[in-house]
Amino acid sequence: GNSVTQMEGPVTLSEEAFLTINCTYTATGYPSLFWYVQYPGEGLQLLLKATKADDKGSNKGFEATYRKETTSFHLEKGSVQVSDSAVYFCALSGGSTLGRLYFGRGTQLTVWP
Amino acid sequence: DGGITQSPKYLFRKEGQNVTLSCEQNLNHDAMYWYRQDPGQGLRLIYYSQIVNDFQKGDIAEGYSVSREKKESFPLTVTSAQKNPTAFYLCASSLTDREGELFFGEGSRLTVL
Repeated sequence: GNSVTQMEGPVTLSEEAFLTINCTYTATGYPSLFWYVQYPGEGLQLLLKATKADDKGSNKGFEATYRKETTSFHLEKGSVQVSDSAVYFCALSGGSTLGRLYFGRGTQLTVWP
Repeated sequence: DGGITQSPKYLFRKEGQNVTLSCEQNLNHDAMYWYRQDPGQGLRLIYYSQIVNDFQKGDIAEGYSVSREKKESFPLTVTSAQKNPTAFYLCASSLTDREGELFFGEGSRLTVL
């Protein structure tokens, strides 16, 4: 079946530090992969996505590369800001209903000035 | 502005009562979804609808019911049969069920007293 495993949080960093949040997946077929972000008190919003192997998604300084050989989609950012503090969810879509996403448990990121 | 509106934002219910959460979208999206979010567990799919007058159970449909009489509306009823209803509920939509990009509402927090 389909599932997503994210690194446990919380992650606490100083401003301008390098960020990596690990995400691995199990899927049948060829899923699309996503990172969503949830700011405090809000719903989720799409951060980036990749639809096939070796694709790199990027947005707002965040990047993630779809690695089929390691079934991974790790999120990275070279220099985090306080405003990046949020919960980050890795997700995959698969099967006949691509909008039916499977989410990881989420990783809380806190960035201190 | 286009988007998804969930109401109420906070709701309190006594045990044994049914409660209905509203979800309205003006994005002209065909597909709509209800997810449940619990601390440390990510998001789990309750129900989804690919088109008006049609919906399917997700992974945790027991104790919930939905309807899709209009394209823009997808209300969720939490019935008294739901054993542990206290949670944060998120409604989402996508252009079609073939799209992996979901647009989320801001959520409804249900507390059973």
